[in-house]
Formats: sequence, C-alpha cells, structure tokens
Amino acid sequence: QVTLRESGPALVKPTQTLTLTCTFSGFSLSSSGMCVSWIRQPPGKALEWLARIDWDDDKYYSTSLKTRLTISKDTSKNQVVLTMTNMDPVDTATYYCARILLVGAHLGAFDYWGQGSLVTVSS
Amino acid sequence: DIQMTQSPSSLSASVGDRVTITCRASQGISNYLAWYQQKPGKVPKLLIYAASTLQSGVPSRFSGSGSGTDFTLTISSLQPEDVANYYCQNCNSAPYTFGQGTKLEIK
Repeated sequence: QVTLRESGPALVKPTQTLTLTCTFSGFSLSSSGMCVSWIRQPPGKALEWLARIDWDDDKYYSTSLKTRLTISKDTSKNQVVLTMTNMDPVDTATYYCARILLVGAHLGAFDYWGQGSLVTVSS
Repeated sequence: DIQMTQSPSSLSASVGDRVTITCRASQGISNYLAWYQQKPGKVPKLLIYAASTLQSGVPSRFSGSGSGTDFTLTISSLQPEDVANYYCQNCNSAPYTFGQGTKLEIK
C-alpha cells in the first residue's frame, strides 16, 4: 500500500526558508523508475507543479521558481525534502507530494498523493 | 513552458447528462496528458493518464481522448458525486503544467 505524508511548519515568516518533508511507504526511491514530485495549491486556486526527483537523483524544477527551490531525497529514510527560500505571502498554499507513475520514459501522472500541508506565510 | 488551457472554466449540468471538458496545450504533447478530479476539500485524484487510459478503480463513465494539442474528458452520465474541479496536466516534459481547472456543478 502506497502512502505519502507531508510534514513541516504551518506558519512561516516572509523571507524565511520553508522546509517540507515527504515521508512515504509502499515503494522505494532507490528502485528504477520511481519518482516523487511536489505540487502546491493556493487557497481557491489551481494546482501548480513545483519539482520532481527521480530514483537516479535527476531533478526537475518549475521554471518560475527554480532559483528558490531545492529537492532532495534520503532513500534510507524514505523521504523527499523540498526547500523554498525567500518565502512570500503569495506562497501561502497547500503543498502536496505525490508519487509519479511513469509511462515508458515519460511522466504518466501522479498516481498517489499525500494529504497536503497548509503553509501560511505571514509576519 | 507549455501552457494548458481548459474550457469551460465552469459548467453546470443535470444528472444523467453527458459532460465534456476540453484541454488545449500550447504545443504538441503527444498523448502525455493526465486528468485529475478534486472534490471540495479533498486531495486530487488521478482519473486518466496517457490521454485515454483509465486509472484503476475509476468508474467507466469517465473517458479521455485526444492527442497532440487537443484533449477531452467526457463523463457519459453525470452523477451527483462527480461535483468537483477537474484539472488536465501536461506530462510530456518539465515543467509539468496544469490547466486552470474546470468547476463542475449539478444543475
């Protein structure tokens, strides 16, 4: 059974760095073909893809946010970590991690999602 | 970046109606497109991947079609539990952009 769970602070101040952890079970990020992504959703708004990390440590980032994002993994702990620097109130959102379903060599979809972690940016 | 444009932005239909949501990519993405359903206050749920492959456990009234730049999600007979926001997603190449969403309501 695949599960993912996000953890991190519920409140951060402007200019601070956000660190979110995705702890998962039911698969291993050391297995070929396994990948995890982060997605966020501001209140009442659409989904926004943020970053992806693969079993071989390949990484991909949102174009508009790549200077602020870092994704990393700890396969021994079954965790993926996302850091976002210089937080701003517009970054207030629910942050999700999700497992990637590959179709051949392409991203197929996000087939399992965590419950999400609401992060509010406010002084 | 590939832009994903959904239409309509909102839709109201009656139970039993056939409902179609369209998604257009700003450049060709072959069939690397996914559809998600997000009910109010809930986590997004994968409905369809590779444009037309139904995810396991998803009711057969949902179907997807299209290739290249134009895609559709069809609900053959709308049910009350289908009230949700629906999102398409470019899965061809990073960044994996989502559409802006379509809000589906019951008339």
